[in-house]
Amino acid sequence: DQQVKQNSPSLSVQEGRISILNCDYTNSMFDYFLWYKKYPAEGPTFLISISSIKDKNEDGRFTVFLNKSAKHLSLHIVPSQPGDSAVYFCAASYYQGGSEKLVFGKGTKLTVNP
Amino acid sequence: GAVVSQHPSRVICKSGTSVKIECRSLDFQATTMFWYRQFPKQSLMLMATSNEGSKATYEQGVEKDKFLINHASLTLSTLTVTSAHPEDSSFYICSAPPQLLPGSGLAAYLETQYFGPGTRLLVL
Repeated sequence: DQQVKQNSPSLSVQEGRISILNCDYTNSMFDYFLWYKKYPAEGPTFLISISSIKDKNEDGRFTVFLNKSAKHLSLHIVPSQPGDSAVYFCAASYYQGGSEKLVFGKGTKLTVNP
Repeated sequence: GAVVSQHPSRVICKSGTSVKIECRSLDFQATTMFWYRQFPKQSLMLMATSNEGSKATYEQGVEKDKFLINHASLTLSTLTVTSAHPEDSSFYICSAPPQLLPGSGLAAYLETQYFGPGTRLLVL
């Protein structure tokens, strides 16, 4: 039962254009959402996050939008750069058993072409 | 910045043997570490929470006798896959949130959780 879904396994965009990565979730108890970036042979690194009480968070070229009614969030990267090419994971957190736990999507491989 | 290392990065073993994977926080102390598993084309799935000085807590469906976790110090957690079988072949990755000051908040706790590079296990 996939609670966090990234339905696009891959995305290819031209340098300078906008990249939009999507994520859907099913559990309304999630209280925080995060996006991670992962390069080959490295662990995921935190990119940007959003609390469940907000609908937008912006950090430089990266913006995350949250639509709670649709249980949908998206990551916008603009302008996209070749160095943004990586796998992006959407994750949601919930509190259980005395700690915050993360549920991940399967990831979307972004390729930004020069 | 903070770094979490894992050793080995990849391991091949015969069916029935045990394999130990280490997760180390290199420049910070971690009372809690998390162990995840990722099968091909699947998401990272939380297996267990490793707690320094106490027993690990396992997620539903994860066999505690098969995946032994030891968090003996504030910088080291080990995951031992006992009597490994081919279906245990997977990518194992750990993460560790640094110890934060009380009241740091949820965002700080989640955003500063560092992941190791992962260990690729292949059981023949």
